[in-house]
Amino acid sequence: DSGVTQTPKHLITATGQRVTLRCSPRSGDLSVYWYQQSLDQGLQFLIQYYNGEERAKGNILERFSAQQFPDLHSELNLSSLELGDSALYFCASSVGTQLDTQYFGPGTRLTVL
Amino acid sequence: AQTVTQSQPEMSVQEAETVTLSCTYDTSENNYYLFWYKQPPSRQMILVIRQEAYKQQNATENRFSVNFQKAAKSFSLKISDSQLGDTAMYFCAFMMHHDMRFGAGTRLTVKP
Repeated sequence: DSGVTQTPKHLITATGQRVTLRCSPRSGDLSVYWYQQSLDQGLQFLIQYYNGEERAKGNILERFSAQQFPDLHSELNLSSLELGDSALYFCASSVGTQLDTQYFGPGTRLTVL
Repeated sequence: AQTVTQSQPEMSVQEAETVTLSCTYDTSENNYYLFWYKQPPSRQMILVIRQEAYKQQNATENRFSVNFQKAAKSFSLKISDSQLGDTAMYFCAFMMHHDMRFGAGTRLTVKP
């Protein structure tokens, strides 16, 4: 158990819908990262937040957004969902913002029908 | 741009034997970290081992060790005394600043 929690574990929804994935980092960690793991794209970094502020953006679509709240939990919002958004979404956390080990949550499996 | 290459999509090893997974990366930077993560069928991403680029000594964690060749930009993972529970996808990852890049993974099967 990494100490990072993600809810829900599974999510099934329809195209065009909007969903919110939630992540709670390990106690003491200030950084939260979101990753997407799909069969064709592998593991891709989406976005990072540090202590409530966006720090880095990766391959995140404009239909996706995230935020980190004062209690340091984070939410990833996915809207106008497409079939290709079906993937495993991981959250990871680390102490700081740069060269710190990232610990991964169990992931949320999103299926778009 | 930093890239990570794992040239072995699949490997297998007999229980109790030793196996080495390969990873190469491309960067012009000098300060970075390298990781091996394991993803068993449960899909959880589990940190196996990490190596700081500024350290010459190869990292070791119990049965897991790395061969870090900075000049060659190579970072292989050796698993000794393989166990059935080692069956998983193994991802090599390169991190510089906030940016972590993963290889495509190697699927390792440990056979009884």
